[in-house]
Amino acid sequence: QQPVQSPQAVILREGEDAVINCSSSKALYSVHWYRQKHGEAPVFLMILLKGGEQKGHEKISASFNEKKQQSSLYLTASQLSYSGTYFCGTGTYNTGNQFYFGTGTSLTVIP
Amino acid sequence: EAGVAQSPRYKIIEKRQSVAFWCNPISGHATLYWYQQILGQGPKLLIQFQNNGVVDDSQLPKDRFSAERLKGVDSTLKIQPAKLEDSAVYLCASSLGQGTYNEQFFGPGTRLTVL
Repeated sequence: QQPVQSPQAVILREGEDAVINCSSSKALYSVHWYRQKHGEAPVFLMILLKGGEQKGHEKISASFNEKKQQSSLYLTASQLSYSGTYFCGTGTYNTGNQFYFGTGTSLTVIP
Repeated sequence: EAGVAQSPRYKIIEKRQSVAFWCNPISGHATLYWYQQILGQGPKLLIQFQNNGVVDDSQLPKDRFSAERLKGVDSTLKIQPAKLEDSAVYLCASSLGQGTYNEQFFGPGTRLTVL
């Protein structure tokens, strides 16, 4: 029931854009996105609660397609500070309050 | 506002020994989570408390792991006896309400090494 993320890893130059995908085999009613830097705890980025919802957070935004059981995180004009591992987290209809983090995407931004 | 506190930050034990971790959530947060994060993987939910009741412990290895949240505030996670595969970072998180609808705030974690 762990959501699958793609790509597993990506390397960007400063200013480039990236998309990280999160896909679940179960019907979703919420998707969270977190960023974790090496040796640190995950930090919340955003949460999406409705099908088709989109949210933005500075140059980071996300979409949630409830029908496809997918969410995507968009990073535009990447900065060095965006480097880290990104995790989606999902709440599913089938499992009540259970919450699962995804497989993770390592993002490295280089000058 | 004080964040989620955890102790100890690091622990090294021999296999078959026991270990306990402590977590103090953000004041007023009803929901508390314990996660296990093995190097290179995403956090895996072990147990979720709503106040002092267990909401979900389906992924907790109950033969060796136990957790309690007395009075709906602090929580302890215990491993007895530890195995080599328990080496991981144990993260505690809290949220104002039920976690699938609310942002989770994470503590710094406890890095456990089992030799």
